[in-house]
Amino acid sequence: GQQLNQSPQSMFIQEGEDVSMNCTSSSIFNTWLWYKQEPGEGPVLLIALYKAGELTSNGRLTAQFGITRKDSFLNISASIPSDVGIYFCAGGSAGGTSYGKLTFGQGTILTVHP
Amino acid sequence: NAGVMQNPRHLVRRRGQEARLRCSPMKGHSHVYWYRQLPEEGLKFMVYLQKENIIDESGMPKERFSAEFPKEGPSILRIQQVVRGDSAAYFCASSTLAGFVHSGNTIYFGEGSWLTVV
Repeated sequence: GQQLNQSPQSMFIQEGEDVSMNCTSSSIFNTWLWYKQEPGEGPVLLIALYKAGELTSNGRLTAQFGITRKDSFLNISASIPSDVGIYFCAGGSAGGTSYGKLTFGQGTILTVHP
Repeated sequence: NAGVMQNPRHLVRRRGQEARLRCSPMKGHSHVYWYRQLPEEGLKFMVYLQKENIIDESGMPKERFSAEFPKEGPSILRIQQVVRGDSAAYFCASSTLAGFVHSGNTIYFGEGSWLTVV
């Protein structure tokens, strides 16, 4: 089946630093989504990307859909303590019965030191 | 994701018992998905349903697991004769349309049901 490799697995940074994480796949996806999950909660959608090459921002977050459709990155600028959590990338297809059948990366655990 | 409602949030079952997890999609959403998250792992797709139809159950174990989304009422994920390996967080998600063709349609997750099998 499809697999996503997400890196890094974890990051320990100082408040104010920028963060970058990425996902790569051996398969093509039509959609890339980035979610944040906090302990005991469900994933919360941060950014959705629908076109190859698309660059989208949401506040301090910026994500890009790779031109090959096999990768995506998420940047967080000027990190703050509430950015702490697990960040997941997810790839989606758009055909047949694959709608909503997202493939998730393993997650990046972000720790921000004040 | 506040609109996707799951219950119970936490469920403890003894080995061999049945677990029933419920999901009410966001208002106006007719597509429901179930995912499972094992400790320290990402979410894994289990099943995709529309009202009264199972569209894709390729991620769901063939035995003991079943899902439904009746015409009226919530979607239900049912696990019979639970084993310790079933302990996980089960997430329901919903969407409006069948596809991510534009930014108006995406998939939103509930807060999850944490199943512990003792």
